[in-house]
Amino acid sequence: DQQVKQNSPSLSVQEGRISILNCDYTNSMFDYFLWYKKYPAEGPTFLISISSIKDKNEDGRFTVFLNKSAKHLSLHIVPSQPGDSAVYFCAASAGGGSQGNLIFGKGTKLSVKP
Amino acid sequence: EAEVAQSPRYKITEKSQAVAFWCDPISGHATLYWYRQILGQGPELLVQFQDESVVDDSQLPKDRFSAERLKGVDSTLKIQPAELGDSAMYLCASSLGEGSETQYFGPGTRLLVL
Repeated sequence: DQQVKQNSPSLSVQEGRISILNCDYTNSMFDYFLWYKKYPAEGPTFLISISSIKDKNEDGRFTVFLNKSAKHLSLHIVPSQPGDSAVYFCAASAGGGSQGNLIFGKGTKLSVKP
Repeated sequence: EAEVAQSPRYKITEKSQAVAFWCDPISGHATLYWYRQILGQGPELLVQFQDESVVDDSQLPKDRFSAERLKGVDSTLKIQPAELGDSAMYLCASSLGEGSETQYFGPGTRLLVL
């Protein structure tokens, strides 16, 4: 059973508009959430994270929102740029130690069209 | 900027052969992770080290996979013998090792088993 779910395999957005990528999780022990961006044949690049004690974290064009009651988080990219086209992975971890490994979703492929 | 180094970037081998992957984490990072990513899926943990000790290897197929981090710095992941189903991207990540926190990934090794 998948603990981290990204239900949209792909998303297409026009340049300059907002991209919203969604992620749901089932494990209430998760206390740290991250978004990674991945280009083909490269490793994931860290984008932004949020602790479970917060509901929002912003870094430049990227904002992550966390709704713990709904076990849902989202990544907003504003404005979207063609260079943002990549696969975005949502990941979660629970408490560090042997629970510190990341559980990933399957990814959402974002295409930003000029 | 400090990065996780991995080599080789690409490896083609025949089934039943032995392969080895190397990872050098970011300096000062106590925790090192090996993940495997199959196309269309998110990365999945194979093994986690805290310094030189294995913290979690529950998902490592121990009949053919082995991993070591002898001096608590760089690490080697070995597969012997390789099988067709081992074709995947092998990713190394590291973190400071102080609880739930950001993991930084290397560029990965793409393995193709023929």
